[in-house]
Amino acid sequence: AQKITQTQPGMFVQEKEAVTLDCTYDTSDQSYGLFWYKQPSSGEMIFLIYQGSYDEQNATEGRYSLNFQKARKSANLVISASQLGDSAMYFCAMREGGYNFNKFYFGSGTKLNVKP
Amino acid sequence: DGGITQSPKYLFRKEGQNVTLSCEQNLNHDAMYWYRQDPGQGLRLIYYSQIVNDFQKGDIAEGYSVSREKKESFPLTVTSAQKNPTAFYLCASKTGGGNQPQHFGDGTRLSIL
Repeated sequence: AQKITQTQPGMFVQEKEAVTLDCTYDTSDQSYGLFWYKQPSSGEMIFLIYQGSYDEQNATEGRYSLNFQKARKSANLVISASQLGDSAMYFCAMREGGYNFNKFYFGSGTKLNVKP
Repeated sequence: DGGITQSPKYLFRKEGQNVTLSCEQNLNHDAMYWYRQDPGQGLRLIYYSQIVNDFQKGDIAEGYSVSREKKESFPLTVTSAQKNPTAFYLCASKTGGGNQPQHFGDGTRLSIL
């Protein structure tokens, strides 16, 4: 079974509007972490935001927020006031607990296009 | 500036050759990783190392080998046994703590001649 599922291969959003990128995860661990990364066309991976499984509040970092719904095992990324520079691939990732707590699982990504 | 350096940026391999991709970090991170990314796809884990002189296979280790003799270095060898090596390879490192993200290098693009 896939550990991380991103069901939107591509999305379009109008500049200055908000957009939600979906991510669902599969784990039986109680302790885990969820991460979002941005990958521009140049290829580098940029860390955006982190949510821990025990965090009661949704994480926020500037225009990025994470809509964490633990019972549904979803960790959607919300980008507010989209900018042209937000056009990129976005990856959701998870780290589980236990011995392999440094092992990360990545989703297949969502390509976001911001239209002027 | 601290960071992760991958070299070379572009690499070409002839059929039957082994090639080694370099990854060096000066962040004093314990964990290091190698991922493969095919066009339009996500990242697939090849190998990772949580500590010097120790490493674990990821999901697609066949045809690859690694070593971790120094904390700051984690080279990846793509052997001739890897039949379809053309891809973008990303190296990452991470410090301790469950809330710490991975830091990535700029990647190496490997192509077959």
